[in-house]
Amino acid sequence: AQKVTQAQTEISVVEKEDVTLDCVYETRDTTYYLFWYKQPPSGELVFLIRRNSFDEQNEISGRYSWNFQKSTSSFNFTITASQVVDSAVYFCALSGFGAGKSTFGDGTTLTVKP
Amino acid sequence: DTGVSQNPRHKITKRGQNVTFRCDPISEHNRLYWYRQTLGQGPEFLTYFQNEAQLEKSRLLSDRFSAERPKGSFSTLEIQRTEQGDSAMYLCASSESGSGTDTQYFGPGTRLTVL
Repeated sequence: AQKVTQAQTEISVVEKEDVTLDCVYETRDTTYYLFWYKQPPSGELVFLIRRNSFDEQNEISGRYSWNFQKSTSSFNFTITASQVVDSAVYFCALSGFGAGKSTFGDGTTLTVKP
Repeated sequence: DTGVSQNPRHKITKRGQNVTFRCDPISEHNRLYWYRQTLGQGPEFLTYFQNEAQLEKSRLLSDRFSAERPKGSFSTLEIQRTEQGDSAMYLCASSESGSGTDTQYFGPGTRLTVL
């Protein structure tokens, strides 16, 4: 069975602070994908990034960066210089290669205060 | 608009009534998924289709739930004899399995309230 754990239920930061959202996963699959989604107050899940299990290269996209460590089964997400518009619920998800369905964590609610 | 669309966006019904939701995926996507999300939880997988074939159903999908994708395009999710516990956001997503990535793109959801 697959499992995704986002231990941080809520995080509150002041604008311009850096913040890291943690994600730990469990799977027996040797090949899998990891995802991060953002769910703003409007409710629609917005895809942010996908990572393949065989590619541990970290990735940076603007103020966003992702740290994938297979040895610790973690896929953490860092927002640099946070902004109020970053306030949302962030979900980490796991999918076996070709498996179809994704298993989601329970999300981390990020509040960025001005 | 090339994103996933869902209708209706909101549905209020009385316990015992039947409801049906519709999902239109991104046009070139052959896979379509249904998830359910309750407050404070992540989306939970219900079922998914590849073209018109329903390939997997979760144990969460009781006999009162049925999903179809008759022509491999849009899909419907029907809940019969609704119960208060069915109140949730129902999310639809689509992906292209041929791309090898299966990245799922989500629609805005249908919020169901059962009174």
